[in-house]
Amino acid sequence: GAVVSQHPSWVICKSGTSVKIECRSLDFQATTMFWYRQFPKQSLMLMATSNEGSKATYEQGVEKDKFLINHASLTLSTLTVTSAHPEDSSFYICSQGRGGNSYEQYFGPGTRLTVT
Amino acid sequence: GQQVMQIPQYQHVQEGEDFTTYCNSSTTLSNIQWYKQRPGGHPVFLIQLVKSGEVKKQKRLTFQFGEAKKNSSLHITATQTTDVGTYFCAGREGPVWGAQKLVFGQGTRLTINP
Repeated sequence: GAVVSQHPSWVICKSGTSVKIECRSLDFQATTMFWYRQFPKQSLMLMATSNEGSKATYEQGVEKDKFLINHASLTLSTLTVTSAHPEDSSFYICSQGRGGNSYEQYFGPGTRLTVT
Repeated sequence: GQQVMQIPQYQHVQEGEDFTTYCNSSTTLSNIQWYKQRPGGHPVFLIQLVKSGEVKKQKRLTFQFGEAKKNSSLHITATQTTDVGTYFCAGREGPVWGAQKLVFGQGTRLTINP
């Protein structure tokens, strides 16, 4: 079954508004979660690494003031797209990693954001 | 920074034909992972390769990690319609364990004519 959930699965918002996306770890306490963005027919681009109890680490070119990440607990990380614009329309996916020698990432089902 | 290139971008085959996608990194990787994303879905972990020259098989899928740990391949034998999707490789430079970020290739979109 799913180990990472995301909410909402899709959202349509007007330009200038803010949207919060939740990523929950269902069966694992994740100190680190990752946020990706995927444009249609393109690869996954890492936006930031979310660290529980501390500030997120953003990738180069990602505006931290526009994409606010909060990882307040071991099971919940949120991504808020502030003052969204049509160019922010994309598929946003979170993931968590499982450690050890089989380090794999479990991806959430994704959130499709459309900004009109 | 680290770059992971994947080819081909698209591949269309007849059902029953074989399929291969290749992944090349600009730097030496500590490990490489492969994911499959079905249309409209999210990436699902397939496998991780860690050792130089490693070969792993999952039924009709064969994964290989190059000797220099800079390239990898995924080969599917006798494709089936259930194999449709986009296959991504993802490389990591850091240690095998720990929360190190992955760099994804562009993906290879596989379509199959039944």
